[in-house]
Amino acid sequence: DTTVKQNPRYKLARVGKPVNLICSQTMNHDTMYWYQKKPNQAPKLLLFYYDKILNREADTFEKFQSSRPNNSFCSLYIGSAGLEYSAMYLCASSKGSNQDTQYFGPGTRLLVL
Amino acid sequence: GQQVQQSPASLVLQEGENAELQCNFSTSLNSMQWFYQRPGGSLVSLFYNPSGTKHSGRLTSTTVIKERRSSLHISSSQTTDSGTYLCALDSNNRIFFGDGTQLVVKP
Repeated sequence: DTTVKQNPRYKLARVGKPVNLICSQTMNHDTMYWYQKKPNQAPKLLLFYYDKILNREADTFEKFQSSRPNNSFCSLYIGSAGLEYSAMYLCASSKGSNQDTQYFGPGTRLLVL
Repeated sequence: GQQVQQSPASLVLQEGENAELQCNFSTSLNSMQWFYQRPGGSLVSLFYNPSGTKHSGRLTSTTVIKERRSSLHISSSQTTDSGTYLCALDSNNRIFFGDGTQLVVKP
């Protein structure tokens, strides 16, 4: 099974409220990633876990949190959603480091009102 | 500056025509990956190609490190090829995406 699963597929949130997105894979991949994609823009890497080590991009460091309780699951947490967080959030995984092929989930479409 | 330049930004073809999409990069390369995205859909990996040429059906990817470029060739295009094509550069543990090529194949 080479699928990456994401829940929920659609999420509606209020400004100022927290948002938690879930990703899972059963390929025993070491690395899991979260991307943000807005219409007509390239996906933007937010952070990735290599095993238990979290790497966050400098410009999104304070906006997103993540946890990886085990190899299969990875969450993306927004403490206080703003309108600018409305986007598609894509989760991906790769076997080793980010030099390996990334497998993407179907995405979670987040709308903040 | 932008690490990855992708061209063309958009392309319209008649079914049966070939397409050549390009990514040029300005930083060191660990790997190059090409993705396809249907309108409103998730990303599908087409090629992981750090160097050389790879084939998959009607698709061919060529990465030339010395020339800092990677290309995706689509032969005998079909209407179902319509969508967005993205290249992603992995450089020193960071990933940079191109802005994408919007491809429309008309019947």
